[in-house]
Amino acid sequence: AQKVTQAQTEISVVEKEDVTLDCVYETRDTTYYLFWYKQPPSGELVFLIRRNSFDEQNEISGRYSWNFQKSTSSFNFTITASQVVDSAVYFCALMDSNYQLIWGAGTKLIIKP
Amino acid sequence: DAGVIQSPRHEVTEMGQEVTLRCKPISGHNSLFWYRQTMMRGLELLIYFNNNVPIDDSGMPEDRFSAKMPNASFSTLKIQPSEPRDSAVYFCASSKFTPLGQKVTDVFFGPGTRLTVL
Repeated sequence: AQKVTQAQTEISVVEKEDVTLDCVYETRDTTYYLFWYKQPPSGELVFLIRRNSFDEQNEISGRYSWNFQKSTSSFNFTITASQVVDSAVYFCALMDSNYQLIWGAGTKLIIKP
Repeated sequence: DAGVIQSPRHEVTEMGQEVTLRCKPISGHNSLFWYRQTMMRGLELLIYFNNNVPIDDSGMPEDRFSAKMPNASFSTLKIQPSEPRDSAVYFCASSKFTPLGQKVTDVFFGPGTRLTVL
């Protein structure tokens, strides 16, 4: 079965702290894609990253970084030096062999000033 | 580049009325998805098109929902008749992929249409 688990329902940290959002997935496919999206209070879904199953290189983009570990079926997302504007719901998603996105439940991140 | 465009952004209607949501995908993308988001059920895939052809509509709730993609640059999602339980945010998304090569590009979402059925 294809499944994405974001075990952290809500995380609250103080500004400038580092925070890691966990994502664990299950799939039988050998080729798949993993995504992270941000949904701020305004409601839009903002694409952050796509990672292919055959590319395990970690990615860094400014204060954002992603750690893809096939051995543990995880694709975790870290925000360094968090800012209030990072407050949002973050979704991890898996694209399966049917090219459909399977979504995690989302993690609500609250950054306090 | 313009992103995925959806209209209207907000729609308030009365039960029983017909509602039509519109989407213009990113130019060059060949896949289009319609999603619905509610607090109770999260993000649900309603239907997806590849090269204007509906590939999977198993997520369409019932016959009251229909979707079309007459060309590569336009899609509609229609609800007729609408019911209060259809109230949700409806997202359209587009991507580009080639099944044979199994190459997928990023999936971009439109701003959504917030539908309220009274």
